Amino acid sequence: DAGVTQSPTHLIKTRGQQVTLRCSPKSGHDTVSWYQQALGQGPQFIFQYYEEEERQRGNFPDRFSGHQFPNYSSELNVNALLLGDSALYLCASSFRVGLGAKNIQYFGAGTRLSVL
Amino acid sequence: AQSVTQLDSQVPVFEEAPVELRCNYSSSVSVYLFWYVQYPNQGLQLLLKYLSGSTLVESINGFEAEFNKSQTSFHLRKPSVHISDTAEYFCAVSEGLRGATNKLIFGTGTLLAVQP
Repeated sequence: DAGVTQSPTHLIKTRGQQVTLRCSPKSGHDTVSWYQQALGQGPQFIFQYYEEEERQRGNFPDRFSGHQFPNYSSELNVNALLLGDSALYLCASSFRVGLGAKNIQYFGAGTRLSVL
Repeated sequence: AQSVTQLDSQVPVFEEAPVELRCNYSSSVSVYLFWYVQYPNQGLQLLLKYLSGSTLVESINGFEAEFNKSQTSFHLRKPSVHISDTAEYFCAVSEGLRGATNKLIFGTGTLLAVQP
């Protein structure tokens, strides 16, 4: 049973560029959440997708956008990159239906983005 | 608003000694509580969860945590640590609302450094 997979593992971009990160959820999961983890910090919630729509959003600017596909996989897009966007981006998947189980999020290994 | 406080940024301990990593949270509603572990250059792995029921929860590798509602705490303990337990540990909280996978609010993490 494959867990949450993210690609690419590492990425280097320059300021002003755009980037797309990808996530495939754990088998059977239908909800994908994205988090940003700056160096030495805990992860910060960016947004969550369920049924191909953004359901919750954290305190991140509109430069951060996403998409969920019919197979539940998801993309995170960041436009006009800033130096401060350098971080580990984590994808988490969960199963929405069912009491209790839906609140357990399983994380991928992350994509490390460096903005120069 | 929800928040999570991990007072200790780093906890050094000798191998086979006991350890406690502290976590306090603030929330005005019922919560779900989690401990995640992050090994170097990896994503987050779920270590423990409290959703309901018994306030003492255990992991398969000897860690345990106790939900204390009156003290709003969810401290992580292990009676005897191993070198392999060296990692960053994150406490997280989500609101116990039905019908959704709710965002996780993370603490800033505690580095458990086990010394021989």
